[in-house]
Amino acid sequence: GENVEQHPSTLSVQEGDSAVIKCTYSDSASNYFPWYKQELGKGPQLIIDIRSNVGEKKDQRIAVTLNKTAKHFSLHITETQPEDSAVYFCAAGGGGADGLTFGKGTHLIIQP
Amino acid sequence: EPEVTQTPSHQVTQMGQEVILRCVPISNHLYFYWYRQILGQKVEFLVSFYNNEISEKSEIFDDQFSVERPDGSNFTLKIRSTKLEDSAMYFCASSKTSGSTGELFFGEGSRLTVL
Repeated sequence: GENVEQHPSTLSVQEGDSAVIKCTYSDSASNYFPWYKQELGKGPQLIIDIRSNVGEKKDQRIAVTLNKTAKHFSLHITETQPEDSAVYFCAAGGGGADGLTFGKGTHLIIQP
Repeated sequence: EPEVTQTPSHQVTQMGQEVILRCVPISNHLYFYWYRQILGQKVEFLVSFYNNEISEKSEIFDDQFSVERPDGSNFTLKIRSTKLEDSAMYFCASSKTSGSTGELFFGEGSRLTVL
């Protein structure tokens, strides 16, 4: 089955700086790669996703890149703000299984 | 904005007891899921449900677990005889299209504590 690795587990950045979170996946059949943000006490919420026919996608301060050959994808947050502090999960899907396979999460801390 | 709602938000139970977690998915969604998150760990897929039957389940979803859609709105997860290791946050999710390729909407979770 699919295996998703996510790094780093914790990331602390100064407000206004950029943050990058990286994930790798194992199943070359996976073709859908969402990123979820989980705030304390809440369920994960989709913030951006990318499909395998696209190499990069951007939505305001958030961007995701995908390298299918290397089987890795990354989340980029620019001009970080205090409200960006949360746990971020990458996931992979579409490889024949119904469910998404999640990474272990990255606790992003924005230092004022 | 439509949302997935879950009850209870927190349940404490004794080992060996039965637990039912309830979910109301978004009304026009067709695919329903349960995921589990043990404290500090990743979100893990348990089961998917479509067209009134289980479409896929993970290794975690053993004979102690069952799901049901008893009416047109509720989607339940039952744990027949809880074990200590079932303590986790359980998330219900729904989607319009298959959740492996479309957006999943998660509820806020039900925290289960087994003593």
